[in-house]
Amino acid sequence: DIVMTQSPDSLTVSLGERATINCKSSQSVLYSSNNKNYLAWYQQKPGQPPRLLISWASTRESGVPDRFSGSGSGTDFTLTINSLQAEDAAVYYCQQYYSSSYTFGQGTKLEIK
Amino acid sequence: EVQLVETGGGLIQPGGSLRLSCAASGFTVSSKYMSWVRQAPGKGLEWVSIIYSSGSTYYADSVQGRFTISRDNSKNTLYLQMNGLRADDTAVYYCAREADLGYSHFDYWGQGTLVTVSS
Repeated sequence: DIVMTQSPDSLTVSLGERATINCKSSQSVLYSSNNKNYLAWYQQKPGQPPRLLISWASTRESGVPDRFSGSGSGTDFTLTINSLQAEDAAVYYCQQYYSSSYTFGQGTKLEIK
Repeated sequence: EVQLVETGGGLIQPGGSLRLSCAASGFTVSSKYMSWVRQAPGKGLEWVSIIYSSGSTYYADSVQGRFTISRDNSKNTLYLQMNGLRADDTAVYYCAREADLGYSHFDYWGQGTLVTVSS
């Protein structure tokens, strides 16, 4: 299975500042035939299911604020949240769907101060 | 509007069986890849099983041979039959829809149903 490792496990960032979450896969999730990275980012708040933020490493889902952005390729990816708002406090997960056995990162807990 | 509603969770003794259901609306289950994803209390997300639009099924190693995913096209419902339950199967179980055919991200999730395996 492809192992997804996120860093850091948790972070505290001030309101209005930028948060950066990293995700590293144990093997490339870039499919050469279509040049797509099979990598998604989700946000999960307590008591709620995950919410899709970013697909294909950098495509923002409809309705997701443009302060959320995804980047990276191959094995290294980043979720950036600019101008942090109080409602961005959550756990964030990356997920690979390159292989038939999907795997998630362990999650990064974002707190806002 | 796409909706996924899971039912069937509850308290079950180790070794017991349970069947989870995921009723879908707003789309046809058989036309999409559908998965079950679980989350143990206070833990991260773990993919459990998938059924392709073709009907092919795949499982995580942790549940292979004990869980069976299926669907009822007439009811537009996804199922997860869980046998030989163990304490480490305790989790909230979500059904999730893939956005595109072929390996893809999960664009819709249900609210989840809690399965507790304990004596």
